[in-house]
Amino acid sequence: SYELTQPPSVSVSPGQTARITCSGDALSKHYVYWYQQRPGQAPLLVIFQDTERPSGIPERFSGSTSGTTVTLTITGVQAEDEADYYCQSGDSSGNYEVFGGGTKLTVL
Amino acid sequence: EVQLVESGGGLVQPGGSLRLSCAVSGFTFNRYWMHWVRQPPGKGLVWVSRINSDGSSTTYADSVKGRFIISRDSAKNTLYLQMNSLRGEDTAVYYCARDAGVGAPHFPHWGQGTMVTVSP
Repeated sequence: SYELTQPPSVSVSPGQTARITCSGDALSKHYVYWYQQRPGQAPLLVIFQDTERPSGIPERFSGSTSGTTVTLTITGVQAEDEADYYCQSGDSSGNYEVFGGGTKLTVL
Repeated sequence: EVQLVESGGGLVQPGGSLRLSCAVSGFTFNRYWMHWVRQPPGKGLVWVSRINSDGSSTTYADSVKGRFIISRDSAKNTLYLQMNSLRGEDTAVYYCARDAGVGAPHFPHWGQGTMVTVSP
């Protein structure tokens, strides 16, 4: 089955830049979406179509792509950004949706 | 305002059945694909199933295929997930999610989730 690979954890100090990667064989052909999930809450879409930011999402959230790896970047991390982050895309056939395993962002 | 409200979760024995509901409001229900996504305790998000806007096409993750049935009732603005032959590994918070309706499937709108526990 198709898999998206994320690092289990990333730690940064407030004000620094956090980068969370997501790798998958089909990512050069399919868009990736990023979700933030705080404890006890439903996920929140923070990036769509690799690089686009929904209205209401702070400008410090951005996305980029290079081949089969996409990256969520949070510039000037704030304490409120501490959460789990998940990437999501479709499998190579387009029949299934897949989430990465999630990355826990810790703000030191 | 888009709202999704799940209900129907609870404790069920292995091999049992449960039907989840997701009541929606704030948008034209029959214009959007809908999805179920689950999250086992302490673990990540897992896509479960989707249904197209008129209910004529459904897709399931391999882990639930043949056991779960997704459906929708446009008159009631409600999405359903019928879960049969439940197993311990089905224990999770179940979220309904509305598709964006533009581009590849993704989920800008989520419910608050309903907990399903499968245990003797």
